[in-house]
Amino acid sequence: KAGVTQTPRYLIKTRGQQVTLSCSPISGHRSVSWYQQTPGQGLQFLFEYFSETQRNKGNFPGRFSGRQFSNSRSEMNVSTLELGDSALYLCASSIGQGAIADTQYFGPGTRLTVL
Amino acid sequence: AQTVTQSQPEMSVQEAETVTLSCTYDTSESDYYLFWYKQPPSRQMILVIRQEAYKQQNATENRFSVNFQKAAKSFSLKISDSQLGDAAMYFCAYISGTASKLTFGTGTRLQVTL
Repeated sequence: KAGVTQTPRYLIKTRGQQVTLSCSPISGHRSVSWYQQTPGQGLQFLFEYFSETQRNKGNFPGRFSGRQFSNSRSEMNVSTLELGDSALYLCASSIGQGAIADTQYFGPGTRLTVL
Repeated sequence: AQTVTQSQPEMSVQEAETVTLSCTYDTSESDYYLFWYKQPPSRQMILVIRQEAYKQQNATENRFSVNFQKAAKSFSLKISDSQLGDAAMYFCAYISGTASKLTFGTGTRLQVTL
């Protein structure tokens, strides 16, 4: 089975712009979670989508949003970029059945740099 | 709120030796799962091992094993016969049995020397 894929791998944007990151989960996985990794804050949960619905959300401002499509692929959008949004954005997929805490498998990440 | 603490920012081990990475967590829940993930310089987060809280038996995956002490809320990772490829950041993570959010520790950077 192919693993979790994320595109693009690297992005450079300027303050005020917006950006969209994409994640394709492992085949058969219906849950997609997004995490932000920075040297200062570590790994922080952004949100999780299951069956095209946001099921859980972390403590991030409304500039961070996401969505999931019927094929379970997910996109994450950040509007009005700030310097502090520079980070590695990791996507993880899991089976997502019911209320079971499935193992999450991670993609290679998208490195976002905001200038 | 659940917290995960890794008190060792860096560890070093010689090739072929054994090293133990520490992790403690705090939760009031009884149903949860614990993980160790490895993040090499490539930044890809790789699952190392998983432990269900309801299982008393410690999980093992080849050279990797855990010491799960539920009462003490401790979850350490033992790497036996260390290899150069084991060099990476290791993250301990917690997830509630009914949730979808992983809570990570701050990580331990493991160096493997010849």
